[in-house]
Amino acid sequence: ETGVTQSPTHLIKTRGQQVTLRCSSQSGHNTVSWYQQALGQGPQFIFQYYREEENGRGNFPPRFSGLQFPNYSSELNVNALELDDSALYLCASSPGQVNEQFFGPGTRLTVL
Amino acid sequence: AQSVTQLDSQVPVFEEAPVELRCNYSSSVSVYLFWYVQYPNQGLQLLLKYLSGSTLVESINGFEAEFNKSQTSFHLRKPSVHISDTAEYFCAVSDRPGGYQKVTFGTGTKLQVIP
Repeated sequence: ETGVTQSPTHLIKTRGQQVTLRCSSQSGHNTVSWYQQALGQGPQFIFQYYREEENGRGNFPPRFSGLQFPNYSSELNVNALELDDSALYLCASSPGQVNEQFFGPGTRLTVL
Repeated sequence: AQSVTQLDSQVPVFEEAPVELRCNYSSSVSVYLFWYVQYPNQGLQLLLKYLSGSTLVESINGFEAEFNKSQTSFHLRKPSVHISDTAEYFCAVSDRPGGYQKVTFGTGTKLQVIP
């Protein structure tokens, strides 16, 4: 059984650019959550998608947006990148909204 | 609003010695508590969880944590650590039904096991 995968592994962007991060959920999982983990900090909840609909959002501005596709894979889009957006972005999938989450290895985003 | 405080950012301990990683939480409603472990260059792995029932929960690799409602704590302990336990440990809390939604994480404790 394939676990949660994320691409790319690393990414370097400049301020003002836009970025798309991708997540393939574990087989049979219909719920995906995204987290931002800044250096030296714990992960912070960005939002959750359940069956292609946003189902809960943390304290992040609208320039953080997402999508979930019919196969339950997901994208995280960040517009107008700022230096403080530099972080490890983690995706987690689960078989339902109230079930254990399984994390991917993350995408390391550096904004210069 | 819920929050998690991990009092120690780094904990060095000799191999085979006991260790305690401290975690305190605040939440206005029922809580669900978790410990996650993160090895270098890897994602988070669930170590153990408290959802309901017995306040003492155990993992398969010898860690245990006790939910203490009066002290709002969920400290992680292991009686004898191994080199392979070197990692960063995150305490987390959720107040949503089922426990896994909108999880709030602490800032992490780096456990360094010294040979």
